[in-house]
Amino acid sequence: DQQVKQNSPSLSVQEGRISILNCDYTNSMFDYFLWYKKYPAEGPTFLISISSIKDKNEDGRFTVFLNKSAKHLSLHIVPSQPGDSAVYFCAASDIQGAQKLVFGQGTRLTINP
Amino acid sequence: ETGVTQTPRHLVMGMTNKKSLKCEQHLGHNAMYWYKQSAKKPLELMFVYSLEERVENNSVPSRFSPECPNSSHLFLHLHTLQPEDSALYLCASSPILGGSSYEQYFGPGTRLTVT
Repeated sequence: DQQVKQNSPSLSVQEGRISILNCDYTNSMFDYFLWYKKYPAEGPTFLISISSIKDKNEDGRFTVFLNKSAKHLSLHIVPSQPGDSAVYFCAASDIQGAQKLVFGQGTRLTINP
Repeated sequence: ETGVTQTPRHLVMGMTNKKSLKCEQHLGHNAMYWYKQSAKKPLELMFVYSLEERVENNSVPSRFSPECPNSSHLFLHLHTLQPEDSALYLCASSPILGGSSYEQYFGPGTRLTVT
């Protein structure tokens, strides 16, 4: 049973437009959410996170939104740049899990020039 | 460069071989992790070490044997693997288990192929 789901395996966006990546979760005990970015032949790198006490966190071009009632989070990238082309993973954790991260399957984002 | 290195980057081994994967972190972290990423599947947590003690074994078969001699080094010893064990094995570290930071820092991974 997958607790964190990214239902879109791939997404293609024009350079300069907004990229929106979605993630759903089922475990209501999750209280911390993270997005990671992965380039080929590299490990995932941390991008941005949000605690369950917030509904939005912004860092430059990246904004994460959390809708706890819908158990849904999204990552917005604006404006999208070619260097943003990568696989994006969302992950969730709960304080009782002591930082045990549960990952989604990933979404491959392609930014077209 | 995340401060977490893994060797080798690629490994091909037969089912009767014994090999080891190595991970080293230069971040002063106290928690280290092994993950497995199979094709088209999410990252799966295998083992968690905190202050060199194993605190989590996520129902991993005994043909995978982790070792954490100190807080900077983590090994994954492999023996009598199966072809379905072919995957990308990722090591990660984090400052401390149970602290306020949930961020984990990943190495580049070892691409393992079992023939």
